[in-house]
Amino acid sequence: AQSVAQPEDQVNVAEGNPLTVKCTYSVSGNPYLFWYVQYPNRGLQFLLKYITGDNLVKGSYGFEAEFNKSQTSFHLKKPSALVSDSALYFCAVRDMEAAGNKLTFGGGTRVLVKP
Amino acid sequence: DAGVIQSPRHEVTEMGQEVTLRCKPISGHDYLFWYRQTMMRGLELLIYFNNNVPIDDSGMPEDRFSAKMPNASFSTLKIQPSEPRDSAVYFCASSPPWVAGETQYFGPGTRLLVL
Repeated sequence: AQSVAQPEDQVNVAEGNPLTVKCTYSVSGNPYLFWYVQYPNRGLQFLLKYITGDNLVKGSYGFEAEFNKSQTSFHLKKPSALVSDSALYFCAVRDMEAAGNKLTFGGGTRVLVKP
Repeated sequence: DAGVIQSPRHEVTEMGQEVTLRCKPISGHDYLFWYRQTMMRGLELLIYFNNNVPIDDSGMPEDRFSAKMPNASFSTLKIQPSEPRDSAVYFCASSPPWVAGETQYFGPGTRLLVL
């Protein structure tokens, strides 16, 4: 079975400060990991993914995430947050060993960036 | 490409009525997913198809829900009869043939309100 936990329902940060959104996962084998962002009244948009290779993954809009196998984490980061980064963020995982093409999503973390 | 297309964008209906949601995936994508998003339950995978064949429908809540994919460019999700607890945003997503870590692309969603 595969699962994802996003321990924070909401993260508040001041504009210009670093932003971190936490994600931990559980899979039987090795993971494929994804981050998506959802703006109000929109569908989810892909931000970045970890498949293999370098543990630091860079994605859209200045976001990056670090895969940490020992801590089973894939935290999303941005060095300097913008008000426009306010949105709902989802972490997702797929077990490489699992059949099919099913992603398991976390519960989402709402990010509020204040001016 | 226009992306994943869903219709209608908004649907208001009365309890007991039949509701049909429609989705057109991105051309060339052979996976199609139906999700439901609510405040209480977050983002849930209802069913997904590969090459028009249902692969995993374990997330379909009950027999009132059915999904079909008659061809590679069209899928429907039907609720009959609808109930107020079905009120949610329903997303369709598609992804390319699975090689390793292909991203899912989400449509804008259908916001369903059952009175």
